[in-house]
Amino acid sequence: QQQVKQSPQSLIVQKGGISIINCAYENTAFDYFPWYQQFPGKGPALLIAIRPDVSEKKEGRFTISFNKSAKQFSLHIMDSQPGDSATYFCAASRGSGTYKYIFGTGTRLKVLA
Amino acid sequence: NAGVTQTPKFQVLKTGQSMTLQCAQDMNHNSMYWYRQDPGMGLRLIYYSASEGTTDKGEVPNGYNVSRLNKREFSLRLESAAPSQTSVYFCASSAQGNQPQHFGDGTRLSIL
Repeated sequence: QQQVKQSPQSLIVQKGGISIINCAYENTAFDYFPWYQQFPGKGPALLIAIRPDVSEKKEGRFTISFNKSAKQFSLHIMDSQPGDSATYFCAASRGSGTYKYIFGTGTRLKVLA
Repeated sequence: NAGVTQTPKFQVLKTGQSMTLQCAQDMNHNSMYWYRQDPGMGLRLIYYSASEGTTDKGEVPNGYNVSRLNKREFSLRLESAAPSQTSVYFCASSAQGNQPQHFGDGTRLSIL
């Protein structure tokens, strides 16, 4: 129940295309869902996050879609660019005061020029 | 603004050696964390410190110890390194528990 399942493991997209990464969870107590972006040799950096009181959040070319009934959330990267090539991690945590993120296993995105 | 600083960046140890990984944050955050990252397994929490003076086990604490030296610093110690502890170790911090975590750039540790 603590797992967050992320797919696909890797993704290749043409420049200008849409990249879509999906995550699914089982624990309905999760109430904070961040996405992290990681470049080689660097630590993960927070990209965008959502709480379950909204179904979508958009920041620039990045959008999180959240489906509470299906217990799924996804990251959409519009107009994907070669600079978006990185590994993306979804995560989930539950309740105020909790200190434990459960991370997905990561998606390696490559955007072809 | 340095954020979260980890030292060293790289280290090679022999089995049985001990080592302390250092982490410091300059964001006045209350909570700090240690993760390990292994291929295909994402990030797994080793230990965390909710606030200065407290530490708690995460998902994979065996073989590790931690010390919250002060509000800024949180160290991870391997008492007797094993090849299974070869990994990339990340330190993170957050203002409070369920708030965004900010990561350092990691320590790449190889144990022969």
